[in-house]
Amino acid sequence: ETGVTQTPRHLVMGMTNKKSLKCEQHLGHNAMYWYKQSAKKPLELMFVYNFKEQTENNSVPSRFSPECPNSSHLFLHLHTLQPEDSALYLCASSQDGTSGAGELFFGEGSRLTVL
Amino acid sequence: GQNIDQPTEMTATEGAIVQINCTYQTSGFNGLFWYQQHAGEAPTFLSYNVLDGLEEKGRFSSFLSRSKGYSYLLLKELQMKDSASYLCAVKDSNYQLIWGAGTKLIIKP
Repeated sequence: ETGVTQTPRHLVMGMTNKKSLKCEQHLGHNAMYWYKQSAKKPLELMFVYNFKEQTENNSVPSRFSPECPNSSHLFLHLHTLQPEDSALYLCASSQDGTSGAGELFFGEGSRLTVL
Repeated sequence: GQNIDQPTEMTATEGAIVQINCTYQTSGFNGLFWYQQHAGEAPTFLSYNVLDGLEEKGRFSSFLSRSKGYSYLLLKELQMKDSASYLCAVKDSNYQLIWGAGTKLIIKP
């Protein structure tokens, strides 16, 4: 496999469920990101891990919990979500989290619907 | 606050040329990126500008004017497959990416 892969691609959950999104990158990168993408809105950065250390947490509600066991894997644990959390969740990686020129490589995203 | 502005939607004809503008106000500047995102797919990197001027890459070119806080993406010889959203993003002084809401480009035959 190459690039950044995300599973599942689609997820429907109730507000009381607990689920997890998984991301894996095969690019040898050191930084991984979770973004939220809602229709007609800019990408919202949720979490950044640089060399497995969380460096950013942009005031994300505690019902979203990230986990980065190693530099190739990133999880987003979800619990007691709200309907407004329905969105496309994108995982991305880059060579590192601080350089200027390093572009992001995105996964296909996990489309989340909260009922 | 930090802000990126780009048109919400544009329409162009197959074979023509289209220019998508992006203006920004950010705390510092460490480069500007353009990404392409087809519906239901991942955003993919198109271009990076850090110095003023035009960067050409095949049918796509990207221009930057740092003094004006302005960039554009120029697409030539439009093809139907160019129908997509185009995302402008700027890295600020803390190397944080600030994103625009994207421009949906519709190509008509």
